[in-house]
Amino acid sequence: EVVMTQSPATLSVSPGERATLSCWASQSVSSNLAWYQQKPGQAPRLLISGASSRATGIPARFSGSGSGTEFTLTISSLQSEDFAVYYCQQYNNWPRTFGQGTKLEIK
Amino acid sequence: QVQLVESGGGVVQPGRSLRLSCPASGFTFSTYAMHWVRQAPGKGLEWVAVISYNGGSKNYADSVKGRFTISRDNSKKMLYLQMDSLRAEDTAVYYCARDNYAFDYWGQGTLVTVSS
Repeated sequence: EVVMTQSPATLSVSPGERATLSCWASQSVSSNLAWYQQKPGQAPRLLISGASSRATGIPARFSGSGSGTEFTLTISSLQSEDFAVYYCQQYNNWPRTFGQGTKLEIK
Repeated sequence: QVQLVESGGGVVQPGRSLRLSCPASGFTFSTYAMHWVRQAPGKGLEWVAVISYNGGSKNYADSVKGRFTISRDNSKKMLYLQMDSLRAEDTAVYYCARDNYAFDYWGQGTLVTVSS
């Protein structure tokens, strides 16, 4: 099983600032990496697939990078609605696996 | 627009069974693989099962293998999850999700509580 590890567990950032979230895979997953956003009481929402392609309707302030085992999600200028939990997920191997999540909170 | 709406959750005793349903609309259901993903209270996301577009191939997480069965009825645009021999650790919100390599659409989830 591919283990996905996210860092940090919690990130405190002020609105308008930049946030950088990291995700590592225990073995290469090529570019088969997705990022999801989840707000309390809601289902996850796909932000990024293919490590760097924004999903439909996702603002340009969200960007993804990386390949192989190291990945990054960057939110360039945080808006109030961006404070949530973010998960990475690999879809290169079975079983599909998620990171444990990074909680992005208001500083 | 794509819609997935889970139902069938509830409170069930350990060892009993429950069947979840997920009707799909707004897309050609029969051309997509579909997944179930769960989230225990206050915890992260755990992939549970996948079924291919025509139901011919299925795969399960080790934690549910032999107890859960994923199925689909393309004529009714329905996805199912039959959960048998339920355990306390199966308590979670269960989501159905569409496979587009990543999981591009999710339902709102249905809560399953396994408790005596």
